[in-house]
Amino acid sequence: QLQLQGSGPRLVKPSEALSLTCTVSGGSVASSPYYWGWIRQPPGKGLEWIGSLYYRGTTYYNPSLKSRVTMSVDTSNNQFSLNLSSVTAADTAVYYCARQGTGYNNWFDPWGQGTLVTVSS
Amino acid sequence: DIVMTQSPDSLAVSLGERATISCKSSQSLLYSNNKNHLAWYQQKPGQPPKLLIYWASTRESGVPDRFSGSESGTDFTLTISSLQAEDVALYYCQQYYSTPWTFGQGTKVEIK
Repeated sequence: QLQLQGSGPRLVKPSEALSLTCTVSGGSVASSPYYWGWIRQPPGKGLEWIGSLYYRGTTYYNPSLKSRVTMSVDTSNNQFSLNLSSVTAADTAVYYCARQGTGYNNWFDPWGQGTLVTVSS
Repeated sequence: DIVMTQSPDSLAVSLGERATISCKSSQSLLYSNNKNHLAWYQQKPGQPPKLLIYWASTRESGVPDRFSGSESGTDFTLTISSLQAEDVALYYCQQYYSTPWTFGQGTKVEIK
């Protein structure tokens, strides 16, 4: 059974970078046909897709965040990562990692538990 | 970007009664494969979203058959035919027709 577990600092200072890692178990990040994605949810608000990547390096970013987002994959450790630069309080959210289908099948399933990241000095 | 608009924002339904959630897309989600690229998710408090339905009406394996999805043009509906206590949750639609992939704002389902 595929499981995803996010990890990383829960508190980030404004203007600094937020870095999260998602560790995949029960499957491989190098398996096709899947993307690996990040979605966030500010407290009490809805879901926003941040970006997705394929293990060979292809990335798709939300244009609203593209200038600040970098995603990467580490196949040797079965992980993928998110880096969001120059954060502000508006970036405070629960960050979810999820597997996403490729081709026509671009829904997200399953999702990790989520990591609450607070941006505050 | 494709805008997904759900209604209502919240609804309260008696146990055993029908709950209906609507989701409207700002443009067609019908792809060349003749399928609507829309998914529904359920999010219980403190949990991540869980996939319920994809292709607008195909239930994910293990999802109870009281959950069903339907489509009419750019209007999509999630129906819970007989609400159970465990169905109290937020429900989101998501379009996967084009990037950026976008979600509705969510509908909260409660027990009346």
